[in-house]
Amino acid sequence: DTGVSQDPRHKITKRGQNVTFRCDPISEHNRLYWYRQTLGQGPEFLTYFQNEAQLEKSRLLSDRFSAERPKGSFSTLEIQRTEQGDSAMYLCASSLLSGILPNEQFFGPGTRLTVL
Amino acid sequence: ELKVEQNPLFLSMQEGKNYTIYCNYSTTSDRLYWYRQDPGKSLESLFVLLSNGAVKQEGRLMASLDTKARLSTLHITAAVHDLSATYFCAVSRGASGSRLTFGEGTQLTVNP
Repeated sequence: DTGVSQDPRHKITKRGQNVTFRCDPISEHNRLYWYRQTLGQGPEFLTYFQNEAQLEKSRLLSDRFSAERPKGSFSTLEIQRTEQGDSAMYLCASSLLSGILPNEQFFGPGTRLTVL
Repeated sequence: ELKVEQNPLFLSMQEGKNYTIYCNYSTTSDRLYWYRQDPGKSLESLFVLLSNGAVKQEGRLMASLDTKARLSTLHITAAVHDLSATYFCAVSRGASGSRLTFGEGTQLTVNP
């Protein structure tokens, strides 16, 4: 049983550096989501894809953030010129648009980013 | 803007006791979700509630949805230590849904 996977699990970087995270969704899922979670808070939506199309972006997603899902399978989230405020857990989720429970989102283990 | 509020935010209870976590949301929503998160871990889906009056139960947890009151409850029966975790409710809007808007979470500690 392969759930949502994310890589790396932990990333420590210096302020100003660029980082890239990868998410591999559950194989038959056509939707993929990125969320950010800071300590003591619930996850906040960043963006989501249906197949390869990016359908919605949050206002939280500044110009320094970019996400892609080039072939409708895995996705990458890049943060340019990282700031200390970017330190958080970045969660990826996937879902199947149709089905018994449409859009039930299954989360990956997350990538914890620390910006020094 | 859709807002989701949970209460209480912190809950300490003894094993064997019952308690309810409340989730209020501000605008019409089509689906409500409950997730569990253990420290340092990701989110585990517990329940998906699709319609008014929906009730789902799994073990010692039971979730219900009242769309008219914009309220969902997560009831814990005869709590055990293994239920200690943070519980989040989340809502989505639209026929197919998209983004989830989460509450702040309820940190539950069950003491022996």
